[in-house]
Amino acid sequence: DQQVKQNSPSLSVQEGRISILNCDYTNSMFDYFLWYKKYPAEGPTFLISISSIKDKNEDGRFTVFLNKSAKHLSLHIVPSQPGDSAVYFCAASAYSGAGSYQLTFGKGTKLSVIP
Amino acid sequence: DAGVTQSPTHLIKTRGQQVTLRCSPKSGHDTVSWYQQALGQGPQFIFQYYEEEERQRGNFPDRFSGHQFPNYSSELNVNALLLGDSALYLCASNLRDREMAGGYTFGSGTRLTVV
Repeated sequence: DQQVKQNSPSLSVQEGRISILNCDYTNSMFDYFLWYKKYPAEGPTFLISISSIKDKNEDGRFTVFLNKSAKHLSLHIVPSQPGDSAVYFCAASAYSGAGSYQLTFGKGTKLSVIP
Repeated sequence: DAGVTQSPTHLIKTRGQQVTLRCSPKSGHDTVSWYQQALGQGPQFIFQYYEEEERQRGNFPDRFSGHQFPNYSSELNVNALLLGDSALYLCASNLRDREMAGGYTFGSGTRLTVV
């Protein structure tokens, strides 16, 4: 039972264009959503997050949109650069008691930005 | 400033053996979480340690155990290794009261192969 789903295993985009990565979730208790980027042989790197009380968060070229009614979020990268080529993971957190959170990850989407 | 350090980077073990993986959190962080990432999957939460105690646990058998030391470093132990335990094991650290604001910091992982 996958609570966080990234239905596109891969995405190819031309350099300079917009990359849109999508993520769906099923658990209404999730209260924070995060995007991580992962290069081969490295650990995931935090990119951007959004609280469930917001619908948009922007940081430079990266914007995350949250649609709670649809249980859907997306990451927009504008403009896309070759260095953005990596695997992107969507993650969601829910408070699990004792003052701590637990992250649930999707399977990832491999983004290739073509020069 | 060193990030999260994991050792060893690669490890090959035989079925039935036991293994210990090590993690040093980022400077200033007090909480350590462990994740298992199988090939083609997203990271799966194993457990989290804070104040030298296991605070929460994912859906993993008791063969997986851990420890956190007074200097916040942590170990992951896996007993009676199975072929299915072959995966990348990631350690993530964070400062407890800023768990979501900046996300977790991940190490590069330990690649465990069970033969």
